[in-house]
Amino acid sequence: GAVVSQHPSRVICKSGTSVKIECRSLDFQATTMFWYRQFPKQSLMLMATSNEGSKATYEQGVEKDKFLINHASLTLSTLTVTSAHPEDSSFYICSARDPSPGTSMEQFFGPGTRLTVL
Amino acid sequence: DQQVKQNSPSLSVQEGRISILNCDYTNSMFDYFLWYKKYPAEGPTFLISISSIKDKNEDGRFTVFLNKSAKHLSLHIVPSQPGDSAVYFCAATIFGNEKLTFGTGTRLTIIP
Repeated sequence: GAVVSQHPSRVICKSGTSVKIECRSLDFQATTMFWYRQFPKQSLMLMATSNEGSKATYEQGVEKDKFLINHASLTLSTLTVTSAHPEDSSFYICSARDPSPGTSMEQFFGPGTRLTVL
Repeated sequence: DQQVKQNSPSLSVQEGRISILNCDYTNSMFDYFLWYKKYPAEGPTFLISISSIKDKNEDGRFTVFLNKSAKHLSLHIVPSQPGDSAVYFCAATIFGNEKLTFGTGTRLTIIP
C-alpha cells in the first residue's frame, strides 16, 4: 500500500512554544490529507482536512488559529500547534488517500507524533 | 454524538480460534466501512473494507460482514494468531466524501 511518513515521531516542548509536525506522502500525490488526534484509550478524532493549495477545513470545536495547517505541495502537509499548552499533549496522526484511478477509499496513515507539552 | 460505536473495549481469544469484533453505526448515510488495526504509538493500518452494496467481503483470514438493516458490521479473524493482538478500529464514511468517522476501538488479545 501507499506510504505516509510523519516527522517528528515524538516531541517534548515547553508551554507557550509552537511545534510543527510534517506529514508526507512518499509514493503518491495527495490532494487531500487529514489530521487526527488521539487521546489515551480513545478514538481517533478528525481535526481538519488539509487541501492542497487552499485553506484547511476544520471540524467543529477545533481552533483554526491554534492548529495551523499548510498543504504547500501534493506530498506535504504541516500541522503547527501554536502556543502549546499541556492540554494539547496528545498523539497526532495524519492520513492521506491515494486519489489515483482504480484505488479504493482507504486512507493510509502516518506513524503518528507524540506531543508532550510541559 | 458517537456515530460509530464499538461496544466491547476489549476481547480475549485463544490462538487458533475465531475473533469476532463488532461495530454499530447510527448514520444511515454511511455507505462504506473500513477496519483498521493499530499498535501502540503507531498509525492505524488498513485491513479490509466493504461497500454497502455488499454484505460480505473476504481477504485471507479476515472477513467483514455488513448488516445494513441493523446498522451493524463485524470483523471475523480466523484463525487468530498472536500477531493479531492490537486495537481494532472500525470506520465509516460516505463514498466520495473521504472523511472517516472512527469507532472507539476494541483491544484484541490473542492468548497463546
